[in-house]
Amino acid sequence: SAVISQKPSRDICQRGTSLTIQCQVDSQVTMMFWYRQQPGQSLTLIATANQGSEATYESGFVIDKFPISRPNLTFSTLTVSNMSPEDSSIYLCSVVTGGADTQYFGPGTRLTVL
Amino acid sequence: AQSVAQPEDQVNVAEGNPLTVKCTYSVSGNPYLFWYVQYPNRGLQFLLKYITGDNLVKGSYGFEAEFNKSQTSFHLKKPSALVSDSALYFCAVRPLSGGYNKLIFGAGTRLAVHP
Repeated sequence: SAVISQKPSRDICQRGTSLTIQCQVDSQVTMMFWYRQQPGQSLTLIATANQGSEATYESGFVIDKFPISRPNLTFSTLTVSNMSPEDSSIYLCSVVTGGADTQYFGPGTRLTVL
Repeated sequence: AQSVAQPEDQVNVAEGNPLTVKCTYSVSGNPYLFWYVQYPNRGLQFLLKYITGDNLVKGSYGFEAEFNKSQTSFHLKKPSALVSDSALYFCAVRPLSGGYNKLIFGAGTRLAVHP
């Protein structure tokens, strides 16, 4: 499976600021996704990151709050904008390679908003 | 609505005993089924999946899962638990409708294996 890295691994941010999270894969992948895992909760899909076009957002998530870029087949960023304490979560990227059916996840970014 | 249920918040088992972590789903058609494990301060690791074929699938670290279509269940099992198996386990379902690889996750079950 692909090796997936995320930066930063964790951060503590102030209310009202923005943080950009990077997801880097060591090989070209077919699909990339961003998930949120709120404290003590399960994973919720934020959006599908589309290469060269706008991301596809799930219900309850909007581009102004979570802008996503995917400039090529190995890299994506998720920005959490105008943060509030409710945004404190683990943010994970996942990928699907080739025609495979399995999503593989990055190590996650633990965000705390004060 | 499509959903995945993991009825137990926590499962406690003694080391060396068999373990079962339960998962049932409510999704139309024949979805793909997955188990992932999350260790503290780590991302999700893929354990195993069911697509089609034999109802018993084997995965990483000695885990296996049994698919039961009539009961819409996909329980995770291991014949002999290790203390190092203690972690958070997620069942996930990929509906075949939707056009892409969307996963629906259960709430997670914390497995505690005691020496």
